[in-house]
Amino acid sequence: ELKVEQNPLFLSMQEGKNYTIYCNYSTTSDRLYWYRQDPGKSLESLFVLLSNGAVKQEGRLMASLDTKARLSTLHITAAVHDLSATYFCAVVIISNSGYALNFGKGTSLLVTP
Amino acid sequence: DSGVTQTPKHLITATGQRVTLRCSPRSGDLSVYWYQQSLDQGLQFLIQYYNGEERAKGNILERFSAQQFPDLHSELNLSSLELGDSALYFCASSINTPSSYNEQFFGPGTRLTVL
Repeated sequence: ELKVEQNPLFLSMQEGKNYTIYCNYSTTSDRLYWYRQDPGKSLESLFVLLSNGAVKQEGRLMASLDTKARLSTLHITAAVHDLSATYFCAVVIISNSGYALNFGKGTSLLVTP
Repeated sequence: DSGVTQTPKHLITATGQRVTLRCSPRSGDLSVYWYQQSLDQGLQFLIQYYNGEERAKGNILERFSAQQFPDLHSELNLSSLELGDSALYFCASSINTPSSYNEQFFGPGTRLTVL
């Protein structure tokens, strides 16, 4: 069974600081997704990482993927309040006939002044 | 706005009842997925349909069933509801074919409260 573990699960950080969220998964996969969710809202796609060594950046967020280590990171640079949300990583499960996303438990981020 | 629509937004019902959640995928998407999000279980995959056929099944209870219609909209039926079924139910869609996987786009969700 594929397990996806995120840490930390809760993160309170000051504006302007840097931090990294980690996502480990237990079986081979070359596709990893990062989503953002605001309270009571839907999931917004942030990054799609499709190969080993992939790095993508959007604003203050940068995501990377190391398929050999089965590890993805989401790095936050100079955090601002607008980044407060829950961040999920998800790994694709491929079965004989279909696909599904297996999500981590999410990292709840609070950025304070 | 992802282009995926779900109705209703909120649903309040009693234990033992049956409800139907509806999802319309993005235009052109043939695959529909259902997910359940609850505080204790997190985000869990329930089931996938592709062009009307069931393709993948996750942790879906026997009391739950789904189908995808010829117009590609999908319905998730939940019966004999229990308090623990209270959750946010998401539908997602993608342009998957049986041999390739593409990104899923999520709808706004239906919040189900079972009293």
